[in-house]
Amino acid sequence: DVKVTQSSRYLVKRTGEKVFLECVQDMDHENMFWYRQDPGLGLRLIYFSYDVKMKEKGDIPEGYSVSREKKERFSLILESASTNQTSMYLCASSPGPESTDTQYFGPGTRLTVL
Amino acid sequence: AQTVTQSQPEMSVQEAETVTLSCTYDTSENNYYLFWYKQPPSRQMILVIRQEAYKQQNATENRFSVNFQKAAKSFSLKISDSQLGDTAMYFCAFEMGGTGANSKLTFGKGITLSVRP
Repeated sequence: DVKVTQSSRYLVKRTGEKVFLECVQDMDHENMFWYRQDPGLGLRLIYFSYDVKMKEKGDIPEGYSVSREKKERFSLILESASTNQTSMYLCASSPGPESTDTQYFGPGTRLTVL
Repeated sequence: AQTVTQSQPEMSVQEAETVTLSCTYDTSENNYYLFWYKQPPSRQMILVIRQEAYKQQNATENRFSVNFQKAAKSFSLKISDSQLGDTAMYFCAFEMGGTGANSKLTFGKGITLSVRP
């Protein structure tokens, strides 16, 4: 079975801190994605990557950056956390390169910024 | 840009009955894919069913089936013989055909489905 893991289920940080959210997939998938999920807004794409060291902005990239140095790992970085970044963050991966591939999701990280 | 609309925020159904969840989308593309994802309470999001736009036949997966109306840009999910384990949030999603940068999904806002015993 495909497994997508995220480094933390719950995280509490203070305003201004640098925050790293890690995601690892174990199935050699080409594509990886970061979403944030907020009530009433659904899932919104922050960044995605379709190859190592490649990244593309999603719909809401402001305040975030990403890193993909290895195929299996995709990190989301909040350079200076703010309270409006309190949210559930979901990582996903898909096999690629065909866009019919199912996306497999991690369990999510609920981030609270105080 | 593509948009996905799920206008019903919540629905409730009696166990063993049938329920239909609505979804509409907007795109100028001809080649695309549509998905329904399920997110049970405190559990991971999983794929329920997917549909290729070029296929006229509606997709089915056991108790789950879709009604895909391409001209109307409508993609509803029918759940037959509802079970308590179907209680979840359901998301409709759209993906353009192609590779690389076209691999991203656009999600609707989701609908919370409650199955009553």
